[in-house]
Amino acid sequence: ELKVEQNPLFLSMQEGKNYTIYCNYSTTSDRLYWYRQDPGKSLESLFVLLSNGAVKQEGRLMASLDTKARLSTLHITAAVHDLSATYFCAVDMSGTASKLTFGTGTRLQVTL
Amino acid sequence: GAVVSQHPSRVICKSGTSVKIECRSLDFQATTMFWYRQFPKQSLMLMATSNEGSKATYEQGVEKDKFLINHASLTLSTLTVTSAHPEDSSFYICSARESGLAGYEQYFGPGTRLTVT
Repeated sequence: ELKVEQNPLFLSMQEGKNYTIYCNYSTTSDRLYWYRQDPGKSLESLFVLLSNGAVKQEGRLMASLDTKARLSTLHITAAVHDLSATYFCAVDMSGTASKLTFGTGTRLQVTL
Repeated sequence: GAVVSQHPSRVICKSGTSVKIECRSLDFQATTMFWYRQFPKQSLMLMATSNEGSKATYEQGVEKDKFLINHASLTLSTLTVTSAHPEDSSFYICSARESGLAGYEQYFGPGTRLTVT
């Protein structure tokens, strides 16, 4: 059974600081997704990582994928309050987005 | 981008009644749609995969007679929670995968919050 774990589960950080969220998974997969969820809302797609070594950046967020280590990271640079949300990674075992297994989620709180 | 809608966004029902939730892909055709459930402060759990024109595939532990799924067209899937009970109260999110492509992404609906009293 595929297990997807994120750490930390909760992260409180000050504006302007950098931090990394980790997503570890237990079975080989070449596809990994990162989503953001605001309270009471659905998921917003952030990144789709489709191969080993993939790196994508958007604004203050950068995601990477190491399929050999079964690890993805979401790096936050110079955090701002607007980034406060819960972040989920999801692993695709099917290769065709037919089955996503979500991580435990990381609740990020950026304080002023 | 691809847009998925859900209706209703919020519903309150009495215990023992049934509730239907609709999931529509607005600007693309979706052979496959997915239904997830999310309890407060928890992750998303896949309940079932809905395939147009065929029976849904349910995940282990999900009662197919309680959560009825119908995918009658390429743009609409419905989830009916039958004989709802308070423990069915949750946030239900659907997603859709576009037909005919490599299909490497699911597009998520805005979610439906179900409260059973």
